[in-house]
Amino acid sequence: KQEVTQIPAALSVPEGENLVLNCSFTDSAIYNLQWFRQDPGKGLTSLLLIQSSQREQTSGRLNASLDKSSGRSTLYIAASQPGDSATYLCAVRPTGGTSYGKLTFGQGTILTVHP
Amino acid sequence: EPEVTQTPSHQVTQMGQEVILRCVPISNHLYFYWYRQILGQKVEFLVSFYNNEISEKSEIFDDQFSVERPDGSNFTLKIRSTKLEDSAMYFCASRVGLAGGREQFFGPGTRLTVL
Repeated sequence: KQEVTQIPAALSVPEGENLVLNCSFTDSAIYNLQWFRQDPGKGLTSLLLIQSSQREQTSGRLNASLDKSSGRSTLYIAASQPGDSATYLCAVRPTGGTSYGKLTFGQGTILTVHP
Repeated sequence: EPEVTQTPSHQVTQMGQEVILRCVPISNHLYFYWYRQILGQKVEFLVSFYNNEISEKSEIFDDQFSVERPDGSNFTLKIRSTKLEDSAMYFCASRVGLAGGREQFFGPGTRLTVL
């Protein structure tokens, strides 16, 4: 059974700092990995999707990497801003013919960027 | 920009009552999903739906749950007899479904409170 773990559980940084969020998964048979942002009491906003054949994806100040064989992904946020404060979730989609895209989520990292 | 919408945003019901949560997926998407998030816990997969039938479901999705796509736009989750432990945020998601993994887009959620 796939398990997804995110560390740290919470992170507080001053504005302008570069930071790294970590995600690990126990079963490397994944089709892709998706990073989401969740604001308190709100839905999930997709940030980046990395295919299993890719090593990294970039969107603006965000860069996500994937090392499938070791079961790890990182989300790098450059020059953090107070507006980046949110919970960041990673989720993996398994490979295999019976999978229709079910995502398994980590518990999230709560990020606070203070001015 | 197209988005997944969900209604209502908050539903309060008495234990044992039936509830229907409604979702309008993005119009050209083919795969539809329901997830839930109990307060303070991980987002959990409930069910996936493709080609007018359930394609995959979790252990949580027992006989009390059902899904339907009654027309070309709506996707509903019904809970027949709600329990206290059904209190959670319920998210609908959709995906294009073309070959080569595509990201899932989530709605804002319906907060279900069972009293």
